[in-house]
Amino acid sequence: EVQLVESGGGLVQPGRSLKLSCVASGFTFSNYGMNWIRQAPGKGLEWVAYISSGSSYIYYAETVKGRFTISRDNAKNTLYLQMTSLRSEDTALYYCARRGTTLFDYWGQGVMVTVSS
Amino acid sequence: DIQMTQSPSSLPASLGERVTISCRASQGISNNLNWYQQKPDGTIKPLIYYTSNLQSGVPSRFSGSGSGTDYSLTISSLEPEDFAMYYCQQDASFPLTFGSGTKLEIK
Repeated sequence: EVQLVESGGGLVQPGRSLKLSCVASGFTFSNYGMNWIRQAPGKGLEWVAYISSGSSYIYYAETVKGRFTISRDNAKNTLYLQMTSLRSEDTALYYCARRGTTLFDYWGQGVMVTVSS
Repeated sequence: DIQMTQSPSSLPASLGERVTISCRASQGISNNLNWYQQKPDGTIKPLIYYTSNLQSGVPSRFSGSGSGTDYSLTISSLEPEDFAMYYCQQDASFPLTFGSGTKLEIK
């Protein structure tokens, strides 16, 4: 069974940093591209970042480019999102999602990040 | 960036009813259009990929169609578990973008 379990969220002050993790199981992690997708409270889904299976290709949404860094450790079956210079508008539930053939085919349950003083 | 305009934002409907949700891209996306369902607990389930292909395990009452810039999701006969949020998503180019969502509500 495919499982994606996010962790690392919490309450953080504006301007500070936070690192999210997503541990994958039930599939060969190193064969799949992975994404972070977020949802602000009461709002819709916003794609944040993508990393290819071997980390050769990385893309970011403009809203986080230069502040967030996506990475992965295939030996540990883990996806990361390093978030710096956090803003109140980064407050959201952050999901990790596997990229299947052409869609996000498995999603985690999400981890909440709250940016507030 | 490709903008996705989804309508309606809210859709009251009854059990057994047939409903359609629309999604329009700001430019052609060559059928690279996916649909997702989100339940109130936050769980997200992929429904349809590449416009009209049902994801494994998705009931056949769900179907998708469209081309160019205009796409739609149809549920042929609403079941109780179908009342949820629905999102379209374009997969044609980065940045990947979602529609703003449709809340399917019980009338």
